[in-house]
Amino acid sequence: GAVVSQHPSRVICKSGTSVKIECRSLDFQATTMFWYRQFPKQSLMLMATSNEGSKATYEQGVEKDKFLINHASLTLSTLTVTSAHPEDSSFYICSARDSRGNTGELFFGEGSRLTVL
Amino acid sequence: GEDVEQSLFLSVREGDSSVINCTYTDSSSTYLYWYKQEPGAGLQLLTYIFSNMDMKQDQRLTVLLNKKDKHLSLRIADTQTGDSAIYFCAETPPYGQNFVFGPGTRLSVLP
Repeated sequence: GAVVSQHPSRVICKSGTSVKIECRSLDFQATTMFWYRQFPKQSLMLMATSNEGSKATYEQGVEKDKFLINHASLTLSTLTVTSAHPEDSSFYICSARDSRGNTGELFFGEGSRLTVL
Repeated sequence: GEDVEQSLFLSVREGDSSVINCTYTDSSSTYLYWYKQEPGAGLQLLTYIFSNMDMKQDQRLTVLLNKKDKHLSLRIADTQTGDSAIYFCAETPPYGQNFVFGPGTRLSVLP
């Protein structure tokens, strides 16, 4: 089946630094990718929709200057958490839809756990 | 807006059947999905059902859809310890880009 790869799976950084998380679709092209945030014992919260070649669409309450999204190619989207603070510590998950598929199935990455000290 | 609800916890004994329930509000949903999340991992698609179907079976998994009541269930036969995880119900509206997820049901399988 289709695979979505996220990197890094775990990252620890100091407060004030920026962290980049990559999301790659390995065997299909994805014009749209999604970034989610998951707090402990809670469901996924959609942060933004990443569109290849254009600006990302952010959900209400998500700071676009804080969470920079770049979708430069059909197989790669990146999420950069800028000037990270402890409250940004969370589990970030990306997903991509295989545009060829009939079900519109979303394939998920394994997630990236960010810890900001 | 769309809303998806699930019970938060379920405990079963190994070998028993598990039934995880989900209700949704968007009557125009086209596909309904069940995803599994193991600790510290991303989401894995277990199965999905198209809205014009009532039932779908895939090995130990049976999905039942009651479109009138907007109720979806996932039955896991012969539940094993490896089935312990969080199960998310999700739906997508027609032509929708985004999925709406339920809060997840934490399934604990007792020996």
